Amino acid sequence: AQSVTQPDIHITVSEGASLELRCNYSYGATPYLFWYVQSPGQGLQLLLKYFSGDTLVQGIKGFEAEFKRSQSSFNLRKPSVHWSDAAEYFCAVEGNAGNMLTFGGGTRLMVKP
Amino acid sequence: EAQVTQNPRYLITVTGKKLTVTCSQNMNHEYMSWYRQDPGLGLRQIYYSMNVEVTDKGDVPEGYKVSRKEKRNFPLILESPSPNQTSLYFCASTTDGGGTYNEQFFGPGTRLTVL
Repeated sequence: AQSVTQPDIHITVSEGASLELRCNYSYGATPYLFWYVQSPGQGLQLLLKYFSGDTLVQGIKGFEAEFKRSQSSFNLRKPSVHWSDAAEYFCAVEGNAGNMLTFGGGTRLMVKP
Repeated sequence: EAQVTQNPRYLITVTGKKLTVTCSQNMNHEYMSWYRQDPGLGLRQIYYSMNVEVTDKGDVPEGYKVSRKEKRNFPLILESPSPNQTSLYFCASTTDGGGTYNEQFFGPGTRLTVL
């Protein structure tokens, strides 16, 4: 069975600083990987996804993620964080049961002025 | 506007009182699912449906029922709610990718409290 681990429950960064959110997955085949963002009181919005090909994928809002098969990781990065990026971020992998997503526990990002 | 709607958005109820959370999508999607979100656990799938009259259990189906009589609607039913079902619930829909991924669209969430 697939699983996703986000080791950092909370992260605080200063506005303008760079950001990296960690995600490790366990899956037997080539994974489909995703990052979602959830702003307070809102639903989930897809930031980016990886299916195949180029291991560095670009998403919305200036985010990118790099797939590293050897490390079973799909870390999310942003070079300069804005206060509006404060939210909870979820990494997910598509599972075997057709379109079923398995989510990590989430990382809550706080941005200091 | 393409969207997934859920009602109610907030609900406080008591143990044992049957309730239904509705979910509707206007994108003609075949696939719909329900998730619950709990702190530190992320989202876990409760039930999913690959088309009308086709439903199956996800990771945490105990205490829940679903039905899919129409393509657009996928209600979540709690026959006898218990406090451990206090959670934030999300409905999602997508087209049947047939082996390729299609983006899942999530509803705004329903915050349920069972006293």
